[in-house]
Amino acid sequence: DAGITQSPRYKITETGRQVTLMCHQTWSHSYMFWYRQDLGHGLRLIYYSAAADITDKGEVPDGYVVSRSKTENFPLTLESATRSQTSVYFCASIRGLAGGNEQFFGPGTRLTVL
Amino acid sequence: QKEVEQDPGPLSVPEGAIVSLNCTYSNSAFQYFMWYRQYSRKGPELLMYTYSSGNKEDGRFTAQVDKSSKYISLFIRDSQPSDSATYLCAMSRYPGLIFGTGTRLQVFP
Repeated sequence: DAGITQSPRYKITETGRQVTLMCHQTWSHSYMFWYRQDLGHGLRLIYYSAAADITDKGEVPDGYVVSRSKTENFPLTLESATRSQTSVYFCASIRGLAGGNEQFFGPGTRLTVL
Repeated sequence: QKEVEQDPGPLSVPEGAIVSLNCTYSNSAFQYFMWYRQYSRKGPELLMYTYSSGNKEDGRFTAQVDKSSKYISLFIRDSQPSDSATYLCAMSRYPGLIFGTGTRLQVFP
C-alpha cells in the first residue's frame, strides 16, 4: 500500500558511530520532514526538504545531516551519534504547503545511543 | 514558555463518556490547527484539521478553535476503548508543525 516507510524500525548504536535512518514515500510528495519525539518536548522539526536537492534546517538540526537526491527518499544521518540523540525519529511528507500543511507520518525509528 | 501547551494527562474515562482534550497556544499568527492520534509505538495519524476559528465535526469527533482565547479543543463522543491513545495538537508554522506534548487518554470498558 502507498505511504511512508522508515527503516530500520529499531536501532541500537554506540556513541561516536555514524547512523543513517531511511525514509521512503510513494506519494511523490514535494515536502518531506524529519522530527524527533522526546518526553516533555513533543515532536520537534530537525530538517525538511521542499524538493529533490533542496533541504533546510528546522528547530533542532545540530548533529544531523540530510540529503535528497530523489523525490521519494529522504535519509537522515547522525554523523557522530551522542546519547542526547536517543529518541524516536519520524519522517513526514506533504504534497505542498498551500492549505493547512497536514502532514502524514511514517511509523518511526526508535534509536538508542549507548 | 512553550508556544503550545497541552496537559499530558493521563486522562482515564469509562467507555461511552464524552472526552474533552485541550491545548493553549501563544502565537496569534497560527491559522491552521490539527489533531493527531498516536497509538503506542506508532506514528502520529491525522485526525482533524481546522482553519481559523470555528467548529468541525467528523463522526464522533469535534474540533473547536477559539482564536480570541488561543484555545483549541477536541471532543470525542461515545468514547471507545479503541480511542485509547495519545492525542497531539499541532499548529502550522512554516515549514513544519509545532506540536503540543500530547495527552494520554485511556478509555476503560
